[in-house]
Formats: sequence, structure tokens, C-alpha cells
Amino acid sequence: TQLLEQSPQFLSIQEGENLTVYCNSSSVFSSLQWYRQEPGEGPVLLVTVVTGGEVKKLKRLTFQFGDARKDSSLHITAAQPGDTGLYLCAGAQAGSSNTGKLIFGQGTTLQVKP
Amino acid sequence: KAGVTQTPRYLIKTRGQQVTLSCSPISGHRSVSWYQQTPGQGLQFLFEYFSETQRNKGNFPGRFSGRQFSNSRSEMNVSTLELGDSALYLCASSLTHNEAFFGQGTRLTVV
Repeated sequence: TQLLEQSPQFLSIQEGENLTVYCNSSSVFSSLQWYRQEPGEGPVLLVTVVTGGEVKKLKRLTFQFGDARKDSSLHITAAQPGDTGLYLCAGAQAGSSNTGKLIFGQGTTLQVKP
Repeated sequence: KAGVTQTPRYLIKTRGQQVTLSCSPISGHRSVSWYQQTPGQGLQFLFEYFSETQRNKGNFPGRFSGRQFSNSRSEMNVSTLELGDSALYLCASSLTHNEAFFGQGTRLTVV
């Protein structure tokens, strides 16, 4: 059972288009992170959201944490070829049995064509 | 500030052998976590260490083990390698539970 469902799994768009990636769960998370990963490299942290309803912006990227802290979204405005990569959401849960552990979604592979 | 450093970057091993991977966390970070990434399963949590103690462990067989040293550097060991252990092994260091910073990973191929 995948605790964090990420959609879509694959996205191929033209430069300049907008897109949204979703990360959904039936479980509550104390925080949620978004990462971007290039082939053969480690994930790079983009943002952490902690408060329900929180919205954070990073240039053309907008991240939102659901009010109930069970879901999140990543919106990219006017995508560029440099945005190409694997986008991963990861959640942290409270409790001693979850210490140091992130639960990852399956990832969204984004291709932005020039 | 230097990031998380993992060595080696690439490894090729034969079935039945064992392997040790190394991770140096960001200076000041005392928590180190390990993950296995495969195309089919994505990123899966292996274990987490803090101040030389394993605080949490994922659902992997006992062939997977780790340790952390007093300088927070960590190693993970896989014994009796199987073909299915081929993966990108990622180490992450953290200052808080909310953020993890990953190294570039070690690509392990078992033949």
C-alpha cells in the first residue's frame, strides 16, 4: 500500500505551459517536502511545508499543503526545459516509530520540451 | 558548507559478496538516514541513526545493516548480495525531523 499517492506519474509538456503535480494520502503528516532529482543524482530539497493550508513560492514554483495536512500540490508556471526531472513528495509523520523516516511518493517524471 | 558526501559513487559486485557504503553528513547534522531507490519501488527507508544509535529501521532483511561513528559519519553494509539489491543507495542528513538533505548516492550493481 502506497501511503503517498503522487500523480501524474509522467508529464510531457511544451515550454511555457503550466502544470500541477499532486501528492495525496489518507494519513496526516507533520510536514511534507518536495524534492527534484536528476538522473543518477540524489534528490535536492525544494521546499518544506509544515502548517495546514500553507502556501510557499519559489520563483515559478508554488507549493501548497492541504488544510488537513494529508495532501500537497506543486504548481509550475510557464515551465522551462530546465524544470525537467523527477519530482518527489515526501512526508514525515509524528511518533517515535517514525523518527528520521520520510515516506516518499512514487514520483512524477516531468519532461519540458523546447 | 559542504553537502552530504557518499562514497563510492559506483560499485559492481557479484552475488554472494558483501559491500560497505559510506556517508559523511553535513557538518553539525547528527541524524543520518539511508534509503534504497529502485525503479519499481521508488525510495524506501532503510534505517536512521542519531548519536551512534539506530533509532528507526525499515522493512528490510537483516542482511542490511548500518552503523554511525562518533563524528556522525555512517556506513551501511549489505551481506550476501542478491541481484535484487541492485539500486541507488541514498544517504540523507538532517538537523530537524522536517528536512533531509541527500547525497549523490551510490549506484550498486550486483551481477
